[in-house]
Amino acid sequence: EAQVTQNPRYLITVTGKKLTVTCSQNMNHEYMSWYRQDPGLGLRQIYYSMNVEVTDKGDVPEGYKVSRKEKRNFPLILESPSPNQTSLYFCASSFGGKLSYNSPLHFGNGTRLTVT
Amino acid sequence: GQQLNQSPQSMFIQEGEDVSMNCTSSSIFNTWLWYKQDPGEGPVLLIALYKAGELTSNGRLTAQFGITRKDSFLNISASIPSDVGIYFCAGPAGGTSYGKLTFGQGTILTVHP
Repeated sequence: EAQVTQNPRYLITVTGKKLTVTCSQNMNHEYMSWYRQDPGLGLRQIYYSMNVEVTDKGDVPEGYKVSRKEKRNFPLILESPSPNQTSLYFCASSFGGKLSYNSPLHFGNGTRLTVT
Repeated sequence: GQQLNQSPQSMFIQEGEDVSMNCTSSSIFNTWLWYKQDPGEGPVLLIALYKAGELTSNGRLTAQFGITRKDSFLNISASIPSDVGIYFCAGPAGGTSYGKLTFGQGTILTVHP
């Protein structure tokens, strides 16, 4: 089954303790992206990657790191999490190129992160 | 970065009613996308719009690309309980290709049976 898999689904951690949220897709997609969703703010893009070893900042990259060493994986790294990073995080992927029905953005089911 | 403003923020309607929501931007967009997020899941693409003035339907959903290219509208006719969810507009920052993608704040739709 074609899917974007995020792990973990739920995570509670403490301020300053490094963590990684993994994202993997099995559709050979070139484009991958991370979003955070907060009430009243919608989805805000953190980082995106057009292909392996190519990453760019989205609108809210501060406090996050990403890497794209392989096509299928795009982990999100929080080196020193803070309470304002408590949020619902989504990974998404696509073939890339022109935005269209033929190349829709596939989202994972989300990771709910709480930083105390 | 670019911002997309959706209106209304939330709607409470009776089953069978029609729904209208819109999305506006301070800058021009060349592609407009509408997504729906069901509770506990990631968003799913509903409609994509590529040209100013374009009107596109997907079942009971109809979306329009505003002629100023700074707005878009989504209508749902004869709403049913499974229409419940959050509706997002989205667009690429410049151009028509994937890259930096901006989403609106979302419209939360509740449908009473």
